[in-house]
Amino acid sequence: AQSVTQLGSHVSVSEGALVLLRCNYSSSVPPYLFWYVQYPNQGLQLLLKYTSAATLVKGINGFEAEFKKSETSFHLTKPSAHMSDAAEYFCAVAGGTSYGKLTFGQGTILTVHP
Amino acid sequence: DARVTQTPRDKVTEMGQEVTMRCQPILGHNTVFWYRQTMMQGLELLAYFRNRAPLDDSGMPKDRFSAEMPDATLATLKIQPSEPRDSAVYFCASGTSAYNEQFFGPGTRLTVL
Repeated sequence: AQSVTQLGSHVSVSEGALVLLRCNYSSSVPPYLFWYVQYPNQGLQLLLKYTSAATLVKGINGFEAEFKKSETSFHLTKPSAHMSDAAEYFCAVAGGTSYGKLTFGQGTILTVHP
Repeated sequence: DARVTQTPRDKVTEMGQEVTMRCQPILGHNTVFWYRQTMMQGLELLAYFRNRAPLDDSGMPKDRFSAEMPDATLATLKIQPSEPRDSAVYFCASGTSAYNEQFFGPGTRLTVL
């Protein structure tokens, strides 16, 4: 079985500050890991994904995440927050199947203050 | 620009009525997923299909929910009869077997009065 834990249901940062959203996963097979973003009244959009290539993954809008197997973590970062980054972020894990089923974390709401 | 489409975007209905939500997956995608999102439960997987065959619907209340794929371009989620606790946003997503990435539709916001 696979699971995802997102530490912190709400994160608040100032515009221009570092964004760090934490994700830890559990998987009995080499995982595929994803970060999705959801803006108000919209569906989820893929930010980035790890599929066993480079451990540092760059995504859209300046976000990146680093896969750390020893820590079973896949934290999302952005050096400088922008007001438009305010949204809810979901970490997800998949693996061991070709069917594409994802297990999502509970989500982290990011608030960006001016 | 290929994207998943869902209809209707918003639906308000009364308790006991039948509700049908439709999804058109991205052309060429062979897996389709139905999710429900609420404030209390977050994002829940209801059912998913591969090559139009249902693989797992354990997340659905069997007595009132049903999901089908009449053809490769249409997935439906039906609730009969609907109840106020079914009020939520229902998302459809599609993908391929490779890399497990899913593409989400804009969702159907269902309100059952």
